[in-house]
Amino acid sequence: ELKVEQNPLFLSMQEGKNYTIYCNYSTTSDRLYWYRQDPGKSLESLFVLLSNGAVKQEGRLMASLDTKARLSTLHITAAVHDLSATYFCAVDLQPGNTPLVFGKGTRLSVIA
Amino acid sequence: KAGVTQTPRYLIKTRGQQVTLSCSPISGHRSVSWYQQTPGQGLQFLFEYFSETQRNKGNFPGRFSGRQFSNSRSEMNVSTLELGDSALYLCASSLASAGNTIYFGEGSWLTVV
Repeated sequence: ELKVEQNPLFLSMQEGKNYTIYCNYSTTSDRLYWYRQDPGKSLESLFVLLSNGAVKQEGRLMASLDTKARLSTLHITAAVHDLSATYFCAVDLQPGNTPLVFGKGTRLSVIA
Repeated sequence: KAGVTQTPRYLIKTRGQQVTLSCSPISGHRSVSWYQQTPGQGLQFLFEYFSETQRNKGNFPGRFSGRQFSNSRSEMNVSTLELGDSALYLCASSLASAGNTIYFGEGSWLTVV
C-alpha cells in the first residue's frame, strides 16, 4: 500500500523567512504533484514533477523530486502572508495519471 | 478555458437518502476522477473514469457509485447516506497521458443530518 507522509503538518512562520516542507512516499514513483488549498476552496495545482532530479520554481515556491530517496521538497523563500494555505503532495498509485494518493497536508500560516 | 465544474456546490441530505453529484470536466479531458475530503481521513480516492469505463476504484463501500457519459461528464451517486458521508467531494479531470496536470473542481459540500 502506497503511503505518503508530509511533515510538518502545521507550520507557522514569520514573513521573510525560509522553510521547507517534506514529502516522503513508500513505493517507487516518478511522478509527484503539489497542490495548494485555501480554506473552503478546491485544490490548485502548483507543480507536477515527472522525473528524478526535477526542480520547478514558481515565485517564492520551489519543488524538487528525488525518486531514489522517495522524497520531494517544497521550499518557501521569503514567505509572505499570501502563501498561507494548506499544501498537499500526492503520488500516483499506479502507472498512469490517477488515482493519486495524498499526504495529510501541511497547514502553513505566515505571520507578520 | 472553463475549468472543472461541479454541481451542486452545497447540499444537505438526511440519513438514508441518496445523492447525485455532477461533474463537467475541462473540454478535451477524458479522464475524470472523484475524491472525498474529510478532516479526519484527508483526501481519498473514490473512482476514476476514462471513456465511459471505470478504470480504477478506491476502497469505498458499494453505496458509492459513479458513471461517465459519452461527453466525458461524470456523476457520482451515494445511496443510503450515513452521517460519515458528510464531506467535500472533489472531481478532477485530466488528459489521458500519465504525468499531465490534474485539475480539480470547486467541489460539492455534502452535509448529512
